[in-house]
Amino acid sequence: QVQLVQSGAEVKKPGASVKVSCKASGYTFTTYDINWVRQAPGQGLEWMGWMNPSTGNTGYAHKFRGRVTMTRNTSTTTAYLELSGLRAEDTAVYYCARDLTSSWYDYWGQGTLVTVSS
Amino acid sequence: DIQMTQSPSSLSASVGDRVTITCQASQDITTYLNWYQQKPGKAPNLLIYDASNLETGVPARFSGRGSGTDFTLTISSLQPDDTATYYCQQHYDLISFGQGTRLEIK
Repeated sequence: QVQLVQSGAEVKKPGASVKVSCKASGYTFTTYDINWVRQAPGQGLEWMGWMNPSTGNTGYAHKFRGRVTMTRNTSTTTAYLELSGLRAEDTAVYYCARDLTSSWYDYWGQGTLVTVSS
Repeated sequence: DIQMTQSPSSLSASVGDRVTITCQASQDITTYLNWYQQKPGKAPNLLIYDASNLETGVPARFSGRGSGTDFTLTISSLQPDDTATYYCQQHYDLISFGQGTRLEIK
């Protein structure tokens, strides 16, 4: 069965970077894009960007350009989200989700809570 | 950027009621509109894709309509398990979500 399993919760200080992983299984990793969506406490969903695991091509939301990097390791079928220059407002649950060319998200990871606090 | 506006922000309805949530896009997105259900502490779950297509395994009481800028998600007969927050999402130009509609059972 399709699964996206994310890494555990993180606590970071302002200005630091965080790297969240998303391990895919149960399907051909390179067939579907991986997107990242975050949700601040009590707030709605915010799209961050996408990555094509086959080519490594990426596209980022304007808000995060310059601070976000999405990468992958095809041998371990794992996608990564790295966010730098963390601030308190980046405290959120970060989700990975798969989609077929910027369409809809049929499988999601369980979410990773990133807390930014001094 | 395309802005998505949902209404209402929250609603309360009784079991068996017909419930409709609306989503308006700031520009024409044809039918590139999806709906998700999210329960507390869980990842969102896809309900409807491309405006009116029911995702496999989703109960038939959920339906979606619309095109252009105006869309609706309807639950034909509300069930206790439908308590959740519902989000619309466009994929016409990049991705953006509505702000969510919190649905409670009276």
